[in-house]
Parts: sequence; structure tokens; C-alpha cells
Amino acid sequence: SAVISQKPSRDICQRGTSLTIQCQVDSQVTMMFWYRQQPGQSLTLIATANQGSEATYESGFVIDKFPISRPNLTFSTLTVSNMSPEDSSIYLCSAQHSVNQPQHFGDGTRLSIL
Amino acid sequence: ILNVEQSPQSLHVQEGDSTNFTCSFPSSNFYALHWYRWETAKSPEALFVMTLNGDEKKKGRISATLNTKEGYSYLYIKGSQPEDSATYLCAPNDYKLSFGAGTTVTVRA
Repeated sequence: SAVISQKPSRDICQRGTSLTIQCQVDSQVTMMFWYRQQPGQSLTLIATANQGSEATYESGFVIDKFPISRPNLTFSTLTVSNMSPEDSSIYLCSAQHSVNQPQHFGDGTRLSIL
Repeated sequence: ILNVEQSPQSLHVQEGDSTNFTCSFPSSNFYALHWYRWETAKSPEALFVMTLNGDEKKKGRISATLNTKEGYSYLYIKGSQPEDSATYLCAPNDYKLSFGAGTTVTVRA
């Protein structure tokens, strides 16, 4: 099991600005992921955060818009850049030791862009 | 991302009744199937990780079965209680999770 601390829990931002979300795990984990939940929809994977190398992005998501860092095995950040109202969502990070183990999720960041 | 279908999209259950719903996923290159429970304003909570064809897992009144050859899993709730109201997500896991849209269960007292 892993405990995930994610912050901020919510924010209201102006159009065109950027916000960095932090995710801290209480133990070393192999894999970390970033998801988005848009209103009325399920979880969509943004990217896999790779320790020491560039993140692996899913179709429709690009590094310039969602830069991700993972400097070690317990911490990752997601930046939402040049925000627009369409970026208003809940963003969640998760951690997983292996595919046969469950993913553990942070409490999410509720982001609203005006 | 794998194509995952969950049905029904939503269902209403009377307290005390039992219910079940389905997750369908591609049967090729199967590694594991995850089930999560997601309550409003909370983060998804892991219920089961299933890997073997014919596997059956149980957690309290909730249980799940897995058929990897035909690519489906059932989740059962026995004697539903209001606290079972949530969205239940399934996700096959190859090297990442591909979440279905979920089945939203509402238990009426």
C-alpha cells in the first residue's frame, strides 16, 4: 500500500497562466501516473511519469501543455500550462508497484479556469 | 489505451437487494484486471486486482469474477446498502490502466 499526498486540493486560475500540481508518495514506487477527469466523464490517462527520463504521453496530450517531472521514486509534478476554460477538470496522480498491484490515488486537484 | 465497456452505465437498487454489472475488455495480451470504487469527492479506492482466468475475489459483500478467454468480468454486490452507492470502475492493466466509463450504483433506502 502507498499513501499519496497531492496538492493543491483545488485552485481557481486565470486564463493563460500555469499551475503546478505536486504528488508525494510515502514510499518508493515503480510507476506514477497522471489522470484527468473532465466533468461527467471517467478517468483519462494523461501520461506515465518516468523517473529520470521524459514522461510517456497518451494520445491527445503533449509535453508543452502538460510538462511532467519525476526527479525520484517518490515525487512527481504535473504542470498545466497556458490554461484555458477547457482545462477545468480534476487532476489525479497515482502510484503503482507493478501491474499486479493496485494503483493508489491522491485526493485530486480540482482546477477551475476563469 | 484498450477499449473497455461497462454496462449498465447506471443502476438503482433497493436497499437489501443484490445486483451485478459487467466489464468487457480485449482478451488478447491480458495481464490483469482492476476494479475500483469511486465515491463522489473522494479518490478511487482499489477493490480487486485479478489475474487468472476463472478467478473469483471477495471483499465483504462485494465479489468479482474474471473470464480472460472471453474478456469479461462481473462485479456483484450482495445485500446492497446505501454506503455502496458509488461509481465502480474496471480497468485492464497491460503496462497502464485503461478505465471504463464506470457503472454508477445508487442504493435507495
